[in-house]
Amino acid sequence: KQEVTQIPAALSVPEGENLVLNCSFTDSAIYNLQWFRQDPGKGLTSLLLIQSSQREQTSGRLNASLDKSSGRSTLYIAASQPGDSATYLCAVRRGGATNKLIFGTGTLLAVQP
Amino acid sequence: DAGVIQSPRHEVTEMGQEVTLRCKPISGHDYLFWYRQTMMRGLELLIYFNNNVPIDDSGMPEDRFSAKMPNASFSTLKIQPSEPRDSAVYFCASQLSGTDTQYFGPGTRLTVL
Repeated sequence: KQEVTQIPAALSVPEGENLVLNCSFTDSAIYNLQWFRQDPGKGLTSLLLIQSSQREQTSGRLNASLDKSSGRSTLYIAASQPGDSATYLCAVRRGGATNKLIFGTGTLLAVQP
Repeated sequence: DAGVIQSPRHEVTEMGQEVTLRCKPISGHDYLFWYRQTMMRGLELLIYFNNNVPIDDSGMPEDRFSAKMPNASFSTLKIQPSEPRDSAVYFCASQLSGTDTQYFGPGTRLTVL
């Protein structure tokens, strides 16, 4: 059974710092991995998606990497801003025909001005 | 596009009552997902549909939960009878086949007293 874990559970940093969020999964047979952002009282927004054949994806100040063999992904946020404060979740999609996502436990990020 | 629409946004009910949550997916999307989010268990997939047909309902907790999708633009998640442990935020998401991104609604916060 696939299990997805995120470390740390919570993180507080001053504005301007670069930071790394971690995601680990137990079954390396994945189709892709996504990073989502969740703001309080709102749904999830997809940030980055990495296919199993890819090593990383970048969007603006965000960079996500994937090491499928070790079951790890990282989300790097450069020059953090107070507007980055949110909960970040990673999710893996199994191989095969299923569209089912298995979500991690999330990291609550607070960027202090 | 209005995005995924869920109603109600908040629901407070008493134990034993029937609860119906509603979802309108993004027009043209042929996948629809129902998730539940709690502090203890995180974000879990309950059931998903493709072209109005349930594909995977392995996450539905028990017979008290049922989901329907009578047409491409509407789905319901019903809990009967409701229990305090059903208190959670319920999300609906939709996806277009051939793409990898799920679009989430704002969620319904359910409180069962």
